[in-house]
Amino acid sequence: DGGITQSPKYLFRKEGQNVTLSCEQNLNHDAMYWYRQDPGQGLRLIYYSQIVNDFQKGDIAEGYSVSREKKESFPLTVTSAQKNPTAFYLCASSIVPGHGSNEQFFGPGTRLTVL
Amino acid sequence: AQSVAQPEDQVNVAEGNPLTVKCTYSVSGNPYLFWYVQYPNRGLQFLLKYITGDNLVKGSYGFEAEFNKSQTSFHLKKPSALVSDSALYFCAVRDRGDSSYKLIFGSGTRLLVRP
Repeated sequence: DGGITQSPKYLFRKEGQNVTLSCEQNLNHDAMYWYRQDPGQGLRLIYYSQIVNDFQKGDIAEGYSVSREKKESFPLTVTSAQKNPTAFYLCASSIVPGHGSNEQFFGPGTRLTVL
Repeated sequence: AQSVAQPEDQVNVAEGNPLTVKCTYSVSGNPYLFWYVQYPNRGLQFLLKYITGDNLVKGSYGFEAEFNKSQTSFHLKKPSALVSDSALYFCAVRDRGDSSYKLIFGSGTRLLVRP
């Protein structure tokens, strides 16, 4: 997991609450990504950012928001509009997005549970 | 549309025996292919990737994968399994012509190596 930190490790949310998941990387990577992992479904892309102050929706962006004010940080907010937020959330980063062969490096994940 | 299929939810193998975890893909152009491993409640770790050239790719922890263009497959292999190889394995693909640089993941295969 080296170089990418996610916090908290476990997070509990009440109905109607917004919560923010932190992701920080010290790898000097340009691109950062947020994935959601559900059992038996693999990883699904929520949002990604290839450069500071710019980001794009992934396949399941509804109910989520992000910001990319700094190169090393890409926080994800799970809003009350996300109807089924209980999942394992993974942040990743990669170097120079123009080189498609670059692998992504993953953080340790945050497990979000709705009470 | 890009897609990845991992046809086996679980693969069981005895320690010391060879293992294969299957992956087939579908992209409109030429692919970059990746294998990742995930241990319980952890992020994904990169194992290996195919970019171009030799169809047999060697990666971390003694794993290798063979790219077969005609069969659109990228199966993960290891000559002699260890109990510590037990984990969840993900295959992923990126279309070289996709400017979004998104990775598409398979649903994962759980590998169980029994002593």
